[in-house]
Amino acid sequence: KNQVEQSPQSLIILEGKNCTLQCNYTVSPFSNLRWYKQDTGRGPVSLTIMTFSENTKSNGRYTATLDADTKQSSLHITASQLSDSASYICVVSRLTGGGNKLTFGTGTQLKVEL
Amino acid sequence: DAEITQSPRHKITETGRQVTLACHQTWNHNNMFWYRQDLGHGLRLIHYSYGVQDTNKGEVSDGYSVSRSNTEDLPLTLESAASSQTSVYFCASSESPGAYEQYFGPGTRLTVT
Repeated sequence: KNQVEQSPQSLIILEGKNCTLQCNYTVSPFSNLRWYKQDTGRGPVSLTIMTFSENTKSNGRYTATLDADTKQSSLHITASQLSDSASYICVVSRLTGGGNKLTFGTGTQLKVEL
Repeated sequence: DAEITQSPRHKITETGRQVTLACHQTWNHNNMFWYRQDLGHGLRLIHYSYGVQDTNKGEVSDGYSVSRSNTEDLPLTLESAASSQTSVYFCASSESPGAYEQYFGPGTRLTVT
């Protein structure tokens, strides 16, 4: 069964600290892995997209890693800011005859406090 | 700037009523998608379209329908709203079926009483 599991479910950190979010998946055949940020009351916005051959990708203070052998990914946030408070969703895509099919994780709810 | 919009942003309706949620994109994307988001679940695909007059069922399509008469719009209709359809609905679009990037709308919060 194609599944994406994220941990932790929620996380509270102090502003300026770093944190790492985890994503494990069983989606097959793998096409790409994406991390989205979803602010409260808004739609998800893409942070990074990684294909099989990429094991690290950065977008500003966000760095995603991918280990396709162990089917794990992480999202590292450096020097957190209050605006980083959001849900972070891991999405794994498999390529089918009908195009990319996405499997979404349930997200990690991050709260950054003063 | 190109964008994807949804309306209404909030809707309360009664069980058994027909409801239509609108989605409009100005990206000129061929591919459009409808998802629902519920607590404890990741976004789940309801219906999708790869072009005008093309519609396909997703994993949770029962009780929903879509139609695609032009490139810009993919309205989602709940034929007879049920309390189980209380959810937040997101529309998304992408350039092609193989494209990596999907752009999401702001969502519609639907409550069925």
